[in-house]
Amino acid sequence: DVKVTQSSRYLVKRTGEKVFLECVQDMDHENMFWYRQDPGLGLRLIYFSYDVKMKEKGDIPEGYSVSREKKERFSLILESASTNQTSMYLCASSFGQGAFGELFFGEGSRLTVL
Amino acid sequence: AQSVTQLDSQVPVFEEAPVELRCNYSSSVSVYLFWYVQYPNQGLQLLLKYLSGSTLVKGINGFEAEFNKSQTSFHLRKPSVHISDTAEYFCAVSEGSGYSTLTFGKGTMLLVSP
Repeated sequence: DVKVTQSSRYLVKRTGEKVFLECVQDMDHENMFWYRQDPGLGLRLIYFSYDVKMKEKGDIPEGYSVSREKKERFSLILESASTNQTSMYLCASSFGQGAFGELFFGEGSRLTVL
Repeated sequence: AQSVTQLDSQVPVFEEAPVELRCNYSSSVSVYLFWYVQYPNQGLQLLLKYLSGSTLVKGINGFEAEFNKSQTSFHLRKPSVHISDTAEYFCAVSEGSGYSTLTFGKGTMLLVSP
């Protein structure tokens, strides 16, 4: 089975802290994604990557950055956390060129910024 | 740009009753369509997908969906629900060519009661 592992299920951080959310997939997928999920808003794409060292902005990239140094690992970085970044963050991966939509998701990281 | 509308934020239903979760999309090009399910405290998993061919698509756990191009809809149905179907359901669309990310709807919470 494809496994997407997010390093932390729950995090509590203070305003202004630098936050790293780590994601690792074990199926050699080319594509990796970071979404945030908020009640009533569904999933919104923050960043995605189609290859190592490659990144593309999604719909809501402001306040975030990403890093993909190895194929299996995709990190989301909050340079200076703010309370409006309190959310559930979901990492996903998929195989092949283009996004045919069969995303495999991690279990999510719930971030609270105080 | 593509968009997805899930018309109901919450659908309450009794066990063993039929259910339909509605999804409409907007896109100027051909599309791929998906339904994902999220059980409490878990990530999303693929329920079913339409890429091409037969407009009636069958998925896991007895769910099916029908692609209707003229009405730009992709409604999800199950003839008889179980308590264990209680979850949030997300409709998603991607353009049918090239590098295309998924756009998700805001989700429909299916609440099955005895």
